Amino acid sequence: AQTVTQSQPEMSVQEAETVTLSCTYDTSENNYYLFWYKQPPSRQMILVIRQEAYKQQNATENRFSVNFQKAAKSFSLKISDSQLGDTAMYFCAFMMGGGADGLTFGKGTHLIIQP
Amino acid sequence: DTAVSQTPKYLVTQMGNDKSIKCEQNLGHDTMYWYKQDSKKFLKIMFSYNNKELIINETVPNRFSPKSPDKAHLNLHINSLELGDSAVYFCASSQDLVQGGEKLFFGSGTQLSVL
Repeated sequence: AQTVTQSQPEMSVQEAETVTLSCTYDTSENNYYLFWYKQPPSRQMILVIRQEAYKQQNATENRFSVNFQKAAKSFSLKISDSQLGDTAMYFCAFMMGGGADGLTFGKGTHLIIQP
Repeated sequence: DTAVSQTPKYLVTQMGNDKSIKCEQNLGHDTMYWYKQDSKKFLKIMFSYNNKELIINETVPNRFSPKSPDKAHLNLHINSLELGDSAVYFCASSQDLVQGGEKLFFGSGTQLSVL
C-alpha cells in the first residue's frame, strides 16, 4: 500500500514570503501521479498542481511549483510571493497509474499567511 | 453550473437514524468516488465506481452502502448512524479510471453530525 507523509502539521509565514511544504511518499510502483490540493476554510478541495512521475521536469502553475525528486520519493510544494488567500490546508496526494485506488492523501499542512 | 454537487451540505441527525447523501456530476465523467474527512482533516477513500460498477470498497462498515443509478450519480446511504460517523463526506469524479492520473473534481462536502 502506498503512504504519503507530510511532516509539517502547521506553518506560518508573512505575506509576500516564499514557503515550501514538504511531502514524501512510499511506493514500489513506477507509474504514478502526484498532486497538491488546497482546502481553504470554505471546505472546497482545489487542485493546485499535478505531476506525472515519468516526467523529469517539475510542474509549475503561476506562483506554485514543485520540487519532484523521484529517487528520494519527495514532492515538495513551493509557494512564491505568498498571499493572504493562500491560507488553507494543503494536502499532498498520490495516485497509481490506472487510478484504480483513487487518491491517497497525506495528513495535510495548515498554512497560515500573516499580513 | 456546479460540476459536482452534493446534497445536503449539512446534516444533523440522531444516533440510530438512516440517512442518505446525494451526489451528481455534470462533467460526463466515468468514475465517481466517496471520501471521508475526519475531525483531524484526514481524507480517506471509501468507495469508487466506474461506469456504475463498484471498483473500490475500502474497509468501511457495511452500514455504508453506495448506490449508482447511472453514471452521473453516486449516492451514499448510511444505516444505523453512530457518533463516530460524524465527519465531512466528499463526493468526487474523474474522467477516466483506466488512463489514470486524472484530476479529481470534488463536491463541496457534506458535514454530517451525529448526536
